Amino acid sequence: SQQGEEDPQALSIQEGENATMNCSYKTSINNLQWYRQNSGRGLVHLILIRSNEREKHSGRLRVTLDTSKKSSSLLITASRAADTASYFCATDRGSTLGRLYFGRGTQLTVWP
Amino acid sequence: KAGVTQTPRYLIKTRGQQVTLSCSPISGHRSVSWYQQTPGQGLQFLFEYFSETQRNKGNFPGRFSGRQFSNSRSEMNVSTLELGDSALYLCASSLEGGKDTQYFGPGTRLTVL
Repeated sequence: SQQGEEDPQALSIQEGENATMNCSYKTSINNLQWYRQNSGRGLVHLILIRSNEREKHSGRLRVTLDTSKKSSSLLITASRAADTASYFCATDRGSTLGRLYFGRGTQLTVWP
Repeated sequence: KAGVTQTPRYLIKTRGQQVTLSCSPISGHRSVSWYQQTPGQGLQFLFEYFSETQRNKGNFPGRFSGRQFSNSRSEMNVSTLELGDSALYLCASSLEGGKDTQYFGPGTRLTVL
């Protein structure tokens, strides 16, 4: 079953705008990870945020985590056409084993 | 370090055949997980191996099996292929599992005719 639920399912913006994607989950977690996937290719790891962290940055990416609301957001600032991809959040449901639970993803389209 | 590699990248098989996919994790990583991705079901977990032992298994039929070798390389096998097995198969490696960053390979695109 799906753990994360990304919102929105699809997002279309112009280059230079910011893109915000949200993820909700249902159980306690050790950490939450965000991934990007270009059409039909492998998943590229973006950021891992641990349950005791509230915010992390990596270049133009900012991830927040609110464990009380069981939600996370991914902000991409100053979007580029190359950011066009599907974005997934994944959690571990509190397990230390190697299983990740993914949402259905947000399809981001950035128009030049 | 080299990333996760998967071979082959593309595969076309017919119903009833069997297939073996290979995954080489990042050097030093001991956990390897496999996922199936389809447009209808999204990313679904198949199984996870750690130090040659299957630690975790998803809800797939017994036609799907895997193993891990002493060098952490992993293979998954699908026997008696069905049309519905057409998917992108992804493997991911991490140092020891759930608390670590998981890095994915490029995937193997399997088409069953």
